[in-house]
Amino acid sequence: AQSVTQLGSHVSVSEGALVLLRCNYSSSVPPYLFWYVQYPNQGLQLLLKYTTGATLVKGINGFEAEFKKSETSFHLTKPSAHMSDAAEYFCAVGRSSNTGKLIFGQGTTLQVKP
Amino acid sequence: DAGVTQSPTHLIKTRGQQVTLRCSPKSGHDTVSWYQQALGQGPQFIFQYYEEEERQRGNFPDRFSGHQFPNYSSELNVNALLLGDSALYLCASSRGKRDRGLNEQYFGPGTRLTVT
Repeated sequence: AQSVTQLGSHVSVSEGALVLLRCNYSSSVPPYLFWYVQYPNQGLQLLLKYTTGATLVKGINGFEAEFKKSETSFHLTKPSAHMSDAAEYFCAVGRSSNTGKLIFGQGTTLQVKP
Repeated sequence: DAGVTQSPTHLIKTRGQQVTLRCSPKSGHDTVSWYQQALGQGPQFIFQYYEEEERQRGNFPDRFSGHQFPNYSSELNVNALLLGDSALYLCASSRGKRDRGLNEQYFGPGTRLTVT
């Protein structure tokens, strides 16, 4: 079975500060890991994904995440927050052999203060 | 290139009624997955359609059913609506054959269903 836990339902940072959104996963098989962003009244947009290979993954809008197998983590970071980063962020896990089912975490709301 | 489209945008139904939601996948995609996102929650997988058949199903009752058409578009049907079915229903498309295992899904904007 697979599961995802996002630590912190709300994270607040100042503009220009480091963004760190935490995600831990559980998977009995090698996982595929994803971060999605959701803006109000919109669908989900893929930020980045880890499948195999390099454990540090770079995504869009300056975000990156590092896959740490020993810690079963896939935390999302951005060096400098921008006001436009305010949104809901979801971490998700899929299986390498899977046809498409994604298991999502509960989400983290990122607030960026001026 | 049009992305994933869903209709309608919003829908209000009464408890006990039936509803049909529609999804057109991104160009070049042949697989459609449906997710339910309750308020304040992450999306939950309902089922996935590939080659006009349900390929995988999540933990949802039989009241939830679907269909995929030869042009890869899909419908989600929910019968005997309950208040708890109120949610944002998201459709996601991907390539079922090529890119198998990458699971890169493109999501539509969703249909907001309110059951009163």
